[in-house]
Amino acid sequence: GESVGLHLPTLSVQEGDNSIINCAYSNSASDYFIWYKQESGKGPQFIIDIRSNMDKRQGQRVTVLLNKTVKHLSLQIAATQPGDSAVYFCAETLAAGNKLTFGGGTRVLVKP
Amino acid sequence: KAGVTQTPRYLIKTRGQQVTLSCSPISGHRSVSWYQQTPGQGLQFLFEYFSETQRNKGNFPGRFSGRQFSNSRSEMNVSTLELGDSALYLCASNLAGVQETQYFGPGTRLLVL
Repeated sequence: GESVGLHLPTLSVQEGDNSIINCAYSNSASDYFIWYKQESGKGPQFIIDIRSNMDKRQGQRVTVLLNKTVKHLSLQIAATQPGDSAVYFCAETLAAGNKLTFGGGTRVLVKP
Repeated sequence: KAGVTQTPRYLIKTRGQQVTLSCSPISGHRSVSWYQQTPGQGLQFLFEYFSETQRNKGNFPGRFSGRQFSNSRSEMNVSTLELGDSALYLCASNLAGVQETQYFGPGTRLLVL
């Protein structure tokens, strides 16, 4: 992932609708991917992860999809709630290390 | 289990000074990583410590350094502060690394005047 700088892309979604957040990752050798949620004034909070030997993983109200062919990751949030309003980051890492490379982030705004 | 804690939470320094930030990982976690977050560059990896040794390093100048103690607590130091060092400094920990989730602390907000 690459930083997109000051202007985060914003996804505006109606409460109760599903959200899809996309991420293009940078290194074809990356084999572990994580989605984080960051609320204002807080550190990133783990949402869900996926390893490169999988293409889909589900959690509670969240699903991560991995397409290694096009180096694309997505996070789906079902029945989006006001508490889901935050900035979402994808992160990638190689098997051998603990260095996370973050995408630029997407701001999600949930409208009541 | 208590989460990752960072002190101080906020800090104001002037150019040329140095600063030390502290991180206490989750109990039992032996790997501690540091990240810098700015509006312009996003989240960038600084370095990782495991068993008191730097295991990985990002692309930051030598003014940025760190260390880890035998109890896994870590400190990072920035010497000769520049205006561009103003950022949120985040610490993350996990058990031992390698495809394990990293858990983040709340960060230390550093403002350099």
